[in-house]
Amino acid sequence: GAGVSQSPSNKVTEKGKDVELRCDPISGHTALYWYRQRLGQGLEFLIYFQGNSAPDKSGLPSDRFSAERTGESVSTLTIQRTQQEDSAVYLCASSSTGLAGPDHNEQFFGPGTRLTVL
Amino acid sequence: GQNIDQPTEMTATEGAIVQINCTYQTSGFNGLFWYQQHAGEAPTFLSYNVLDGLEEKGRFSSFLSRSKGYSYLLLKELQMKDSASYLCAVGPGADGLTFGKGTHLIIQP
Repeated sequence: GAGVSQSPSNKVTEKGKDVELRCDPISGHTALYWYRQRLGQGLEFLIYFQGNSAPDKSGLPSDRFSAERTGESVSTLTIQRTQQEDSAVYLCASSSTGLAGPDHNEQFFGPGTRLTVL
Repeated sequence: GQNIDQPTEMTATEGAIVQINCTYQTSGFNGLFWYQQHAGEAPTFLSYNVLDGLEEKGRFSSFLSRSKGYSYLLLKELQMKDSASYLCAVGPGADGLTFGKGTHLIIQP
């Protein structure tokens, strides 16, 4: 079956511009996560959606970052007034049960969007 | 707070065995994950431990000691394709999975 997909795969933008990144989770997965991975670094949690509950935004680095999710499907991560420090790979993951589920909550990752801010 | 430590880089020989250690101090614990990440690709799930002990899956095994805040990933019969970064992660907690910085494993012929 289809895995997690993300678009675009690569995005080059100028400093100060806004960008929008898209994630399509695995169908039926209620939980969706956004992570950021800078070059040579580990994954940094950004935001988490579980069903129709209010998202956990505790990892967003600044108010320039926001994310939305339509029901239990597509999510978009928006970065306003991009800065060079925002350059990274942005990874989306989904899982079937989320934080409160009894299962091990394996997260399936998308291929990521490589963002370069010039 | 959350803190996960693992070695930055390790080198091993094709056909040999390697053990990658991970120690963690986290405010909550709901399982420990190991992921493999090849350069330029997304992480893929390898293993999950929530109880103490060893979980074996083919050439890969993962061990957990919750009292010591310690885990290891054991890779046997190493192949060149095992060259990758191996990510230790704890959670999910209130902030998703908390990842270590990863161990870059280099396999030499």
